[in-house]
Amino acid sequence: QKEVEQDPGPLSVPEGAIVSLNCTYSNSAFQYFMWYRQYSRKGPELLMYTYSSGNKEDGRFTAQVDKSSKYISLFIRDSQPSDSATYLCAMSAGVQGGSEKLVFGKGTKLTVNP
Amino acid sequence: KAGVTQTPRYLIKTRGQQVTLSCSPISGHRSVSWYQQTPGQGLQFLFEYFSETQRNKGNFPGRFSGRQFSNSRSEMNVSTLELGDSALYLCASSSGPQETQYFGPGTRLLVL
Repeated sequence: QKEVEQDPGPLSVPEGAIVSLNCTYSNSAFQYFMWYRQYSRKGPELLMYTYSSGNKEDGRFTAQVDKSSKYISLFIRDSQPSDSATYLCAMSAGVQGGSEKLVFGKGTKLTVNP
Repeated sequence: KAGVTQTPRYLIKTRGQQVTLSCSPISGHRSVSWYQQTPGQGLQFLFEYFSETQRNKGNFPGRFSGRQFSNSRSEMNVSTLELGDSALYLCASSSGPQETQYFGPGTRLLVL
């Protein structure tokens, strides 16, 4: 079983829809959870950063972490064509031995149609 | 502040050759991590450097190596290239472990 599982999609939604992106993981040591957005031909950019369980909201984006189920989600409200990108979840167990190793999902490709 | 820069942006090599990729982190950042991104495997951690010391290494063969210089710039080297090494190689910098990682645009390597 892979450490982090993410449905690659592709996911296609109309403009204004609510988008739900999800990842599951197997390593119970993970306590830092991130969502990155990657546009075509660009490097990933950090969208949301959450520590441990709970919700975090930033504008149209909401990140949820359920450590008991080993499940994280990213919700995008009022989706826009500019949200079309690949969304990657990432997580880490924190600093161990002086370094931090991020483990990524494979990414979900999202297209928001005007 | 300038972002993470990577050179070259695109590279074509043939099997058996070696390649060196370069990464300049954001000014003031001392931690540099390298990742390989492929459609099949996604983003996979290669190694991390902090203050010129390798702090962590992913599950890649010894053909993949790296180093960091005193100005925090980093290079990674892949020797004896294989077709499967074709990928986007991403560099990320942060001010230290457990700080936000900022990614560069990547170097797209094609091995023929």
